Amino acid sequence: QKEVEQNSGPLSVPEGAIASLNCTYSDRGSQSFFWYRQYSGKSPELIMSIYSNGDQEDGRFTAQLNKASQYVSLLIRDSQPSDSATYLCAVNRWGKLQFGAGTQVVVTP
Amino acid sequence: DAGVIQSPRHEVTEMGQEVTLRCKPISGHDYLFWYRQTMMRGLELLIYFNNNVPIDDSGMPEDRFSAKMPNASFSTLKIQPSEPRDSAVYFCASSLSTAPNEKLFFGSGTQLSVL
Repeated sequence: QKEVEQNSGPLSVPEGAIASLNCTYSDRGSQSFFWYRQYSGKSPELIMSIYSNGDQEDGRFTAQLNKASQYVSLLIRDSQPSDSATYLCAVNRWGKLQFGAGTQVVVTP
Repeated sequence: DAGVIQSPRHEVTEMGQEVTLRCKPISGHDYLFWYRQTMMRGLELLIYFNNNVPIDDSGMPEDRFSAKMPNASFSTLKIQPSEPRDSAVYFCASSLSTAPNEKLFFGSGTQLSVL
């Protein structure tokens, strides 16, 4: 079992719709959780972080965490073509960030 | 601040050659990380340093890989001898700490192609 798992996609989303991305992790000792966005040929950039159960909202992005289910999700509301990218889930395990393989999102006009 | 600076941006070499990747972390950041990204394996942590000291190198794939941090502003990742399966994007990243809420800043990466 991989430590951080994501569906690879691609996830095709019509412009203006909600994109829903999921991530599960194996280590219950994980302390914090992040979503990074990576455009093709670029480096990952942090877009959301969440540390406790519940929702964390920032603009069009909402991160959700359920530690009992070891599950993290990212919602992108009002999806735009500029949101087309690969989204990486990352989990902080004892000071080290472990990344999932990423979910490719394609927003279609 | 200029951010994390990596060089070269692209490196093409032949199998068996030595490759050296370079990284300058953000000034004041005590932690430096080397990651490798491939389509098959995603983004993998190779090694990280705290105050120039290697803390965890369990991700280094084999003895052909070595990393050093001679001072707070410079780190190298060396592959000797290189093999085609080493072809990947290598990212360097730095952070102030490894606290749960600490942000990791990535460099632009080095695209390595071993022919």
